[in-house]
Amino acid sequence: GAVVSQHPSRVICKSGTSVKIECRSLDFQATTMFWYRQFPKQSLMLMATSNEGSKATYEQGVEKDKFLINHASLTLSTLTVTSAHPEDSSFYICSALDSTSGNTIYFGEGSWLTVV
Amino acid sequence: AQSVSQHNHHVILSEAASLELGCNYSYGGTVNLFWYVQYPGQHLQLLLKYFSGDPLVKGIKGFEAEFIKSKFSFNLRKPSVQWSDTAEYFCAVTPTSGTYKYIFGTGTRLKVLA
Repeated sequence: GAVVSQHPSRVICKSGTSVKIECRSLDFQATTMFWYRQFPKQSLMLMATSNEGSKATYEQGVEKDKFLINHASLTLSTLTVTSAHPEDSSFYICSALDSTSGNTIYFGEGSWLTVV
Repeated sequence: AQSVSQHNHHVILSEAASLELGCNYSYGGTVNLFWYVQYPGQHLQLLLKYFSGDPLVKGIKGFEAEFIKSKFSFNLRKPSVQWSDTAEYFCAVTPTSGTYKYIFGTGTRLKVLA
């Protein structure tokens, strides 16, 4: 099946720095990707919809200036957490829409971010 | 507001026991329904999905789910669980209008005792 890869799987950064997480669709082109955040013992919360070649659409309450999303190609979307703080520590998951296989969504493995 | 509720947060079963995980949703229009599984250390994988037609859908690994429109439910079932079914299970819905914005339930952690 289609594979979506995230990198890095784990990252630790200092408070105040920025960190970038990549999401790649490995064997299909994805015009639409999604970024989720998952807190411990809670559900996945949709942060934004990433559209290739255009601006991302953010969900209510998500700071677009803090969580920068770039979908520069049909196989890559990046999430940059700017000026990270400990409260940004979380599990971030991306998914990609494969429009050639019945609009199936495939999820990445997730990225653990710890801000110290 | 759109929401998905999974009432069982933790379930512990012995091997060969039957499984039923509840999922109820709240949405004003028609939806597509999904169950995903997340094995320890792995990414979310699709178990099964319902778009239309027969409300009883069969997925991988012996799982099935039944869509009951009148109850806004999409419960997941398996007649006989195995130790390898230990995982976290998420119910999700997305509107049929094509936004593909998934709304997830809080998940159910299933532990199967050998």
